[in-house]
Amino acid sequence: DIQMTQSPSSVSASVGDRVTITCRASQTISIWLAWYQQKPGKAPKFLMYAASTLQSGVPSRFSGSGSGTDFTLTISGLQPEDFATYYCQQANSFPPTFGQGTRLEIK
Amino acid sequence: EVQLVESGGGLVQPGGSLRLSCAASGFSFSTFWMSWVRQAPGKGLEWVANIKQDGSDKYYVDSVKGRFTISKDNAKNSLYLQMNSLRVEDTAVYFCARARGGVAPNFDYWGLGTLVTVSS
Repeated sequence: DIQMTQSPSSVSASVGDRVTITCRASQTISIWLAWYQQKPGKAPKFLMYAASTLQSGVPSRFSGSGSGTDFTLTISGLQPEDFATYYCQQANSFPPTFGQGTRLEIK
Repeated sequence: EVQLVESGGGLVQPGGSLRLSCAASGFSFSTFWMSWVRQAPGKGLEWVANIKQDGSDKYYVDSVKGRFTISKDNAKNSLYLQMNSLRVEDTAVYFCARARGGVAPNFDYWGLGTLVTVSS
């Protein structure tokens, strides 16, 4: 199975800041990486797929990049509603696997 | 609007069984793969099972193979997860999710989840 490792595990930031979360795959997954946002007690929300393609309705302050084994999710101009936990997920090969999550907290 | 609503969770003893259901609406259910994804308390997300549009192909994470069975009824727009021989480590919120792609999909819509607690 492909292991997905996110860093950092948690990060504190202020409204208006720019934050970058990293996701590393244990083997190459081309561009087949997705990102999800989850707030406490809620279902995950699909943000992005194919490493950099925003799901419909997701604000443009979210952006993604990377290919192969190293990927990033960047949020530019943090808004109060962005404080949540973010998960990456590889969709390159069976079984689909998630990173352990990055908790984005208000400073 | 896509909606997925899970039901059937609860408290069960180790070795027991539960059947989860997911009622889907707002999209053509018969044309999508569907999945179950779970989240243990305070932990991350773990994919559990996938099923092809017509139910002909099914895939499972190793830890549930032989114990869980995924199925779908396209006439009823419903997805199911039959869970047998439950273990304490199966305790989690179980989410129904619409899958984009095949055996290694993305999950573009999720239900709110149903809590399964396995405890004596």
